Amino acid sequence: RKEVEQDPGPFNVPEGATVAFNCTYSNSASQSFFWYRQDCRKEPKLLMSVYSSGNEDGRFTAQLNRASQYISLLIRDSKLSDSATYLCVASGTYKYIFGTGTRLKVLA
Amino acid sequence: NAGVMQNPRHLVRRRGQEARLRCSPMKGHSHVYWYRQLPEEGLKFMVYLQKENIIDESGMPKERFSAEFPKEGPSILRIQQVVRGDSAAYFCASSRTDRFAGELFFGEGSRLTVL
Repeated sequence: RKEVEQDPGPFNVPEGATVAFNCTYSNSASQSFFWYRQDCRKEPKLLMSVYSSGNEDGRFTAQLNRASQYISLLIRDSKLSDSATYLCVASGTYKYIFGTGTRLKVLA
Repeated sequence: NAGVMQNPRHLVRRRGQEARLRCSPMKGHSHVYWYRQLPEEGLKFMVYLQKENIIDESGMPKERFSAEFPKEGPSILRIQQVVRGDSAAYFCASSRTDRFAGELFFGEGSRLTVL
């Protein structure tokens, strides 16, 4: 079993749609969680950290459920520019472990 | 205000040659991570280093791969006797602390092609 698992997608959604990604992690000792965004053939960039209380940044909302060991990302009012691969990350004990990513394509 | 700098950006090697990839972390960062990304796959952890120390190399293949982060100069990922399966993007990332709660900053990656 992979340490961090994500549905690879692709998720094809129309502009303006709301889309949600989930991610599960297997190591209950994981301490911190993040969502990164990676555009094609580019380096990953931090989208947002994920806090136990949940957090929101504009159109993006992240949630953490430690009991079920999953993390979610909600994107509201999707834009064409949101098209990318979204990487879920769990960290702890010297490592940041990345999921394989969920590909999102927002269609005009 | 330079970010993480990796070079070369692109490297072509023939089977059996050596590849050396360099990474200079962001100013003030003393923690370096190397990741490998195969086409259409996720980032796979390879090694975590601090200055002059390898902290965790559990993701490194046991043979042909080595990494260092000397007191002076960049971190280097070295692949000896490359094979076609080594063709990938190699990303370096740095962080300011070792508390694993902070942001990882990535370089633009080094893309290795083995002919």
